[in-house]
Amino acid sequence: ETGVTQSPTHLIKTRGQQVTLRCSSQSGHNTVSWYQQALGQGPQFIFQYYREEENGRGNFPPRFSGLQFPNYSSELNVNALELDDSALYLCASSLGHFSRAFFGQGTRLTVV
Amino acid sequence: GESVGLHLPTLSVQEGDNSIINCAYSNSASDYFIWYKQESGKGPQFIIDIRSNMDKRQGQRVTVLLNKTVKHLSLQIAATQPGDSAVYFCAESSGNTGGFKTIFGAGTRLFVKA
Repeated sequence: ETGVTQSPTHLIKTRGQQVTLRCSSQSGHNTVSWYQQALGQGPQFIFQYYREEENGRGNFPPRFSGLQFPNYSSELNVNALELDDSALYLCASSLGHFSRAFFGQGTRLTVV
Repeated sequence: GESVGLHLPTLSVQEGDNSIINCAYSNSASDYFIWYKQESGKGPQFIIDIRSNMDKRQGQRVTVLLNKTVKHLSLQIAATQPGDSAVYFCAESSGNTGGFKTIFGAGTRLFVKA
C-alpha cells in the first residue's frame, strides 16, 4: 500500500460530458502529479501541483484542469470528453520535487 | 522533442539470472531519473532513483547506472525472481521554479522463466 488513494476506481462517461477524478495523497506529501496512461503505453505527464499551485504541465489541452487543496489532496477535471480520453488516470504524491513518488491504483475512465 | 525511450520492448530471462533493462533519454537538462515497476492492474511502483550528479546507485538486488555522456540509463536486477515479472518504466524529471515535468518511457516487459 502506498497511502495514495484514488476515486472512483472505474468510470464510464459519454462523449462531451465532464468528469472529476480525485486523489488523496500520502500523509505529509505536498506535491501531486497526474498522468494519463493509455493501454500498452507509459504514463503521460498531465500536470503537477505543489502547495496548491500548478507548477508544471505536459502537452495536454486546457480542458484538462486541476486543483490541489490545503490538505494536499487533488482533483483532475476533464471537460468536453473525447473518445481518446479513455485511459487509466494515475496520480502520484511526493514530498517536493525530485523525490520518491508514490502512485495510486488509478481510475479507469471509459468514454463512449 | 524530448523523449525517454527503451531499447527493448520485451526481455525474457531465466530465474536466477541477472536482468538488464536499458533506457535512452534526450533531455540533457534532466536532473532526476527513476525506475518504476508496474504489475497488471496496479499503479507504478518505485524501484530506485538516481540524481544527475551520480553515475551509480545500488538498492536491494537492483542497481541503476547513469551515463550522461551518452544519455543512457540502465536497471540491473540481480538473481531475477518470478515476482520480478512486470513492465518496467524509466522516467526523467526536469525543471525549476518555472515548472517541472516527468517523462516516462514506453516500458519494457520482463518475463522470468522458472
